[in-house]
Amino acid sequence: AQTVTQSQPEMSVQEAETVTLSCTYDTSESDYYLFWYKQPPSRQMILVIRQEAYKQQNATENRFSVNFQKAAKSFSLKISDSQLGDAAMYFCAYRSVLGDDKIIFGKGTRLHILP
Amino acid sequence: DAGVIQSPRHEVTEMGQEVTLRCKPISGHNSLFWYRQTMMRGLELLIYFNNNVPIDDSGMPEDRFSAKMPNASFSTLKIQPSEPRDSAVYFCASSSRPGGYSNQPQHFGDGTRLSIL
Repeated sequence: AQTVTQSQPEMSVQEAETVTLSCTYDTSESDYYLFWYKQPPSRQMILVIRQEAYKQQNATENRFSVNFQKAAKSFSLKISDSQLGDAAMYFCAYRSVLGDDKIIFGKGTRLHILP
Repeated sequence: DAGVIQSPRHEVTEMGQEVTLRCKPISGHNSLFWYRQTMMRGLELLIYFNNNVPIDDSGMPEDRFSAKMPNASFSTLKIQPSEPRDSAVYFCASSSRPGGYSNQPQHFGDGTRLSIL
């Protein structure tokens, strides 16, 4: 069974600085999808970025980018120029290409932005 | 385009009462998921439906919990009788699988905050 591990329960970063959130996963599959979701205090679950495992190029969405290391089964999220609105819980998630539609979520990392 | 719609947004009720949470998925989405989120246990998948059929209910905590999806545009999660330990935020999410590939993310509703006194 697949698992997703986020080893940092909480992190803090100074406003305008860069922060990296770690995520590792375990799978025997060769093709899959990875996601980062953001949950601000409003509790909405918002998709931040997605990565297809067959793509070598790291996904980027404005200030958000990932470092996808397939061999190491690592999928970290980098937030550049951190803003106060980035304060949230961040969840890393895994989804198989085939099979059922379940997404496996990590336990989350709570990110604090220091003004 | 409307997102996933959940109701009510907040529910406060006394122990022993029946609670019904409702969800309307995004039109055209054929998979629907119910999650429970607590500080202690994080985000837990309770049950998921594909084409209105329950596929995996292994996360449903006990017989007091039941879920239905009578049609493609509506699902309910029912707790009867409710207990204080059921207090949590309950999320509904939906997704689609265009062309058979699952690169589409799940889209979440705003959640229902349930408090059982």
